Amino acid sequence: EDQVTQSPEALRLQEGESSSLNCSYTVSGLRGLFWYRQDPGKGPEFLFTLYSAGEEKEKERLKATLTKKESFLHITAPKPEDSATYLCAVQGANQAGTALIFGKGTTLSVSS
Amino acid sequence: DGGITQSPKYLFRKEGQNVTLSCEQNLNHDAMYWYRQDPGQGLRLIYYSQIVNDFQKGDIAEGYSVSREKKESFPLTVTSAQKNPTAFYLCASGSRGNEQYFGPGTRLTVT
Repeated sequence: EDQVTQSPEALRLQEGESSSLNCSYTVSGLRGLFWYRQDPGKGPEFLFTLYSAGEEKEKERLKATLTKKESFLHITAPKPEDSATYLCAVQGANQAGTALIFGKGTTLSVSS
Repeated sequence: DGGITQSPKYLFRKEGQNVTLSCEQNLNHDAMYWYRQDPGQGLRLIYYSQIVNDFQKGDIAEGYSVSREKKESFPLTVTSAQKNPTAFYLCASGSRGNEQYFGPGTRLTVT
């Protein structure tokens, strides 16, 4: 069964304290791994797509990496405005149509 | 501006009533999706449509219905048969094989 597990569930950082969020996945035939940011009461905002092991993508203070079993979202020198829930999702060959399987998310809080 | 709109943002209904949630996109995407989000759970797929006049059940379709008469629109009806309808509903669209873009969501409360 395809599944996605994110850890930790919650993470508290001081401003400037770098860290990483983990997304472990089990999927048959990975078509893509996606990272989203979600603010409270809003829809997820697309961040990155990764397609193959070894691929990396960067955007401002965020960097996403991918291996054959997991993905990491590295946050360098975070600011309070980076506080949000970060969602990881995968699309596999066995999934209905082009739908995504989501993890439960990691809620990041950055204090000044 | 290109994007996805959902209305209303908040919706309150009495138990036993059907309710329809609106989703419109002007991104010219073929595929559209409905997800449900509950506290402490990941997004779960309700229905999806890859082309006009065609749609498929997702993992939790019981108690829901959809239609896809236009490329831009994919309304979701929450029927009285849905046992736990109170949730945050998210509509998304995407091109085949690529990332999905989400609307702002509708929070439905049924009492």
